[in-house]
Amino acid sequence: AQKVTQTQTSISVMEKTTVTMDCVYETQDSSYFLFWYKQTASGEIVFLIRQDSYKKENATVGHYSLNFQKPKSSIGLIITATQIEDSAVYFCAMREANNAGAKLTFGGGTRLTVRP
Amino acid sequence: EAAVTQSPRSKVAVTGGKVTLSCHQTNNHDYMYWYRQDTGHGLRLIHYSYVADSTEKGDIPDGYKASRPSQENFSLILELASLSQTAVYFCASSGLGDQDTQYFGPGTRLLVL
Repeated sequence: AQKVTQTQTSISVMEKTTVTMDCVYETQDSSYFLFWYKQTASGEIVFLIRQDSYKKENATVGHYSLNFQKPKSSIGLIITATQIEDSAVYFCAMREANNAGAKLTFGGGTRLTVRP
Repeated sequence: EAAVTQSPRSKVAVTGGKVTLSCHQTNNHDYMYWYRQDTGHGLRLIHYSYVADSTEKGDIPDGYKASRPSQENFSLILELASLSQTAVYFCASSGLGDQDTQYFGPGTRLLVL
């Protein structure tokens, strides 16, 4: 069965610095997809970035990038030049390619606080 | 970008009562999902559907039913609401293949008393 673990429950950083959030996953499939979502203070869940397991290049979108280490089953989210509005809870999620229904399994989340 | 709406946005229900949560998407997505989120935790899948008039059980289906009357609409039904079903419920939709990123609705906060 697939499993996603985020060991950091909360992180606090100064504005304009770089932060990395960790995520490790377990899967029996050789092909899978990894996602990061942001949940804002209002509760809204926003898709940020994805990494397909067969791609060797780390995905980058705006000031979000991924550190995909397949041998370690790890997918870290890196936020550069953090802003106050980056304060939120960040969820890592995985979908196995052979997973009927395209179901996602979520980690428990990491709360990021960006201080001025 | 995906547009998923949910109604109601919040609801107070009595134990043993029937609750229906509705979800509507305007993106022509085949897949729709219902998740629940408990305070301080991640999301867990309750039911999902990949075509109208068909639903599938997710990881925690007990106590819930789902209905997909059309491609755009997906409902979650609590026939006999219980205290343990107090949570925030999120609907999501996605396409197929490379378009399979899930996009979420704003959530429905349900309080069962």
